[in-house]
Amino acid sequence: DTGVSQNPRHKITKRGQNVTFRCDPISEHNRLYWYRQTLGQGPEFLTYFQNEAQLEKSRLLSDRFSAERPKGSFSTLEIQRTEQGDSAMYLCASSLVASRHEAFFGQGTRLTVV
Amino acid sequence: AQTVTQSQPEMSVQEAETVTLSCTYDTSESDYYLFWYKQPPSRQMILVIRQEAYKQQNATENRFSVNFQKAAKSFSLKISDSQLGDAAMYFCAYLGNKLVFGAGTILRVKS
Repeated sequence: DTGVSQNPRHKITKRGQNVTFRCDPISEHNRLYWYRQTLGQGPEFLTYFQNEAQLEKSRLLSDRFSAERPKGSFSTLEIQRTEQGDSAMYLCASSLVASRHEAFFGQGTRLTVV
Repeated sequence: AQTVTQSQPEMSVQEAETVTLSCTYDTSESDYYLFWYKQPPSRQMILVIRQEAYKQQNATENRFSVNFQKAAKSFSLKISDSQLGDAAMYFCAYLGNKLVFGAGTILRVKS
């Protein structure tokens, strides 16, 4: 078990470009979360999956953001037409429902939009 | 919607002393979990301690303990015998149908 893996670790993109991040959760974890975190702030909930089903998406999230979790394994988060305000750390976490419920976090993907 | 409030943006403690970090939450659910997570600078978020709402007994993990007051919707973290390695951002988190976090408290440990 290598923990939650996120790729890439860093991404610099020009405004208006699309970016996609990947999260590989701990195997057998059925719940997967995406958060956005800016410096000195707490993780802001974006969306979460139970297996392959996306159960909730934050109302704060614009239509430029989309996430998928095909086959209930890895997940991708795509941001279309990036804006400078999208610059942040994007965190992924996974957990096993009906267990200790502890969420394990990846190291995050730091996005810089220039 | 569930919300988590951490009213202390920053706290300081002398090495070997005790410090308490505050957290309150708002929910209408009766079954939930509460957590404290630690995030060292530029490092991964890790779990410090967890509490099931249905348990009256306060959770403890070595030097870390909580004071869980369900009626008051309060969940504070006490760190005893503080160490330099405890310096980090601490987040209180609530798990009902989803996991939500507070804004965090920066803990500084003075030697």
